[in-house]
Amino acid sequence: DTEVTQTPKHLVMGMTNKKSLKCEQHMGHRAMYWYKQKAKKPPELMFVYSYEKLSINESVPSRFSPECPNSSLLNLHLHALQPEDSALYLCASSQGGTIYNEQFFGPGTRLTVL
Amino acid sequence: QKEVEQNSGPLSVPEGAIASLNCTYSDRGSQSFFWYRQYSGKSPELIMFIYSNGDKEDGRFTAQLNKASQYVSLLIRDSQPSDSATYLCAVVFLTGGGNKLTFGTGTQLKVEL
Repeated sequence: DTEVTQTPKHLVMGMTNKKSLKCEQHMGHRAMYWYKQKAKKPPELMFVYSYEKLSINESVPSRFSPECPNSSLLNLHLHALQPEDSALYLCASSQGGTIYNEQFFGPGTRLTVL
Repeated sequence: QKEVEQNSGPLSVPEGAIASLNCTYSDRGSQSFFWYRQYSGKSPELIMFIYSNGDKEDGRFTAQLNKASQYVSLLIRDSQPSDSATYLCAVVFLTGGGNKLTFGTGTQLKVEL
């Protein structure tokens, strides 16, 4: 299995809602990532988990809360989002441990905040 | 500020021609370089990675790396309309928090019939 899966594909939420994005990989990778991508812009790193520990937080607002329950799963909990948070949220994974690891992306969750 | 620079395009080439995509990066110590292809509305797909100076070929794709010039390129031979996409150059930068993959703004490639 060489795939990263993400659910849901699309999500529409109000500014007072709480929702979660889910990501799963079964490639035995030990590093997992959340990126945010706005239209016509490159992906921007949000969080990195390495061996299930948060290793990088790119000064992301606290209304985004990541969680790594185990080495195969990554969640992103959303609360009190703003309309400007509407974007494509991408999960990626890599083997982890060195700088040579290729990152593989899931299909993304298209988030719209009303 | 560690940066990756690409021409945004669009780069238009006729079908069957060679498309040449270029990228420069700011950190001389970088060791890992990647090319991703992204179709409109889809997620990035890894198509090439290169770690050593020189050329690396995979099918119709060739990645070229020159660390002294801080330059990496992607050549696509026999371009097809299905190659029309945005190509993202990505470089791993070492930071205090760990290794960080930083993307260029991407070059839009259009292969015309």
